[in-house]
Formats: sequence, C-alpha cells, structure tokens
Amino acid sequence: DGGITQSPKYLFRKEGQNVTLSCEQNLNHDAMYWYRQDPGQGLRLIYYSQIVNDFQKGDIAEGYSVSREKKESFPLTVTSAQKNPTAFYLCASSMNVRTEAFFGQGTRLTVV
Amino acid sequence: GEDVEQSLFLSVREGDSSVINCTYTDSSSTYLYWYKQEPGAGLQLLTYIFSNMDMKQDQRLTVLLNKKDKHLSLRIADTQTGDSAIYFCAAPPDKLIFGTGTRLQVFP
Repeated sequence: DGGITQSPKYLFRKEGQNVTLSCEQNLNHDAMYWYRQDPGQGLRLIYYSQIVNDFQKGDIAEGYSVSREKKESFPLTVTSAQKNPTAFYLCASSMNVRTEAFFGQGTRLTVV
Repeated sequence: GEDVEQSLFLSVREGDSSVINCTYTDSSSTYLYWYKQEPGAGLQLLTYIFSNMDMKQDQRLTVLLNKKDKHLSLRIADTQTGDSAIYFCAAPPDKLIFGTGTRLQVFP
C-alpha cells in the first residue's frame, strides 16, 4: 500500500532535549512538508522540500531543522531552541508543490 | 506573501446546508483544494477545483470559485453529523499554504 507514515504517534520530551520526528513516503513524491498545528491556529508551515537534497524555510522555521537526503524521507528535528514545542505535527507529500497533498496521521509532541 | 483566510467556526442543524468560505491573496494557483480533518488525524483531500472553472459539483459537495474576488467556497448539502470536522482550503502558488481551518459542528 502506498502512503505516508509518521512515527511515533505520541512523543514525550524533557525540556532542553532535541527530538526527531520521522516521516516516510512511498508515493514517489518530490515535494514534502512539515506543519505544526495548535488549537485555533490552523496549520503553519515549518519547512518544505521540493526535491531531494533541497529544502526551504516556512513561516515558523526557528527552532526546527530538517534534512532531505532521500526522496522518501523528510525527518524533522525539534531542537531545544524551540521555545514552545508542544503541538501536533503533520507531515505531507505531493507530486509537486501545486498538486494534491497526502498527509500522515500526525505526531503529538508533549514537552514535560 | 501568500495568505489564506477562513472563519473559525460554523454550526448547522443536521439536514441543512453548510457553506464554508475562504479568501486567498495569491491568484497564481492552478488548483484550489478543500481538505477535511477528523479529530486527532491528518488531513484528507475532499475536493478540488481547477482555476479556470467557476463551479464544481461532486455529490453533496459544491465548490464555487470567484477569481476576481479571490474567494472560494464549499457547500455541503444535507449536512450530516459525520460531516463534523475541521475544513481547510488551500491555494498553493509555490508552496502548500492552508487557511486557519473552519470547525464545522453539526447538531441534531
């Protein structure tokens, strides 16, 4: 089955620690995205990648980092510099930046 | 930069029609999309419209596009309790940007 997989579904982190969220797709999509969702604030774009080995900052990139070494993988690292990391994180992929996107089921990150 | 705006909440009675509105700033999008999000899940594509169309109907869903006013709407006929969710519009020029989402609540 083709799709996009995020793991883990729930993640707990102590303050001051970095944590990496996984996103893998087997849809052969060029574009991949990371969003953050907070209650009442919709989806805010963190980073996106239009092609392997390339990525751009979205609207709220501070405190986050990504890599795109493989077409199917786009991991997101939430660093200790991110002041308020508790949120629901969604990964998506699409053929290109203008076409339909497919979403993972999300990772809920809680800082304790 | 790109901006997409939606109202935050909509409450309708079961069986009535729902209309969710969206305005956007960048008119270079080829396709415009509506996505649905169930609680605690990712988004799923609901429907889309090509930018040179004014209207698209898909069973209970009707999408209207007013390019002059940069306004997109989604009408759900005979709204059911299973339609309760958050609805997002997207008008991607060079990256996939979403509106704030409209939370639709359907009451009996």
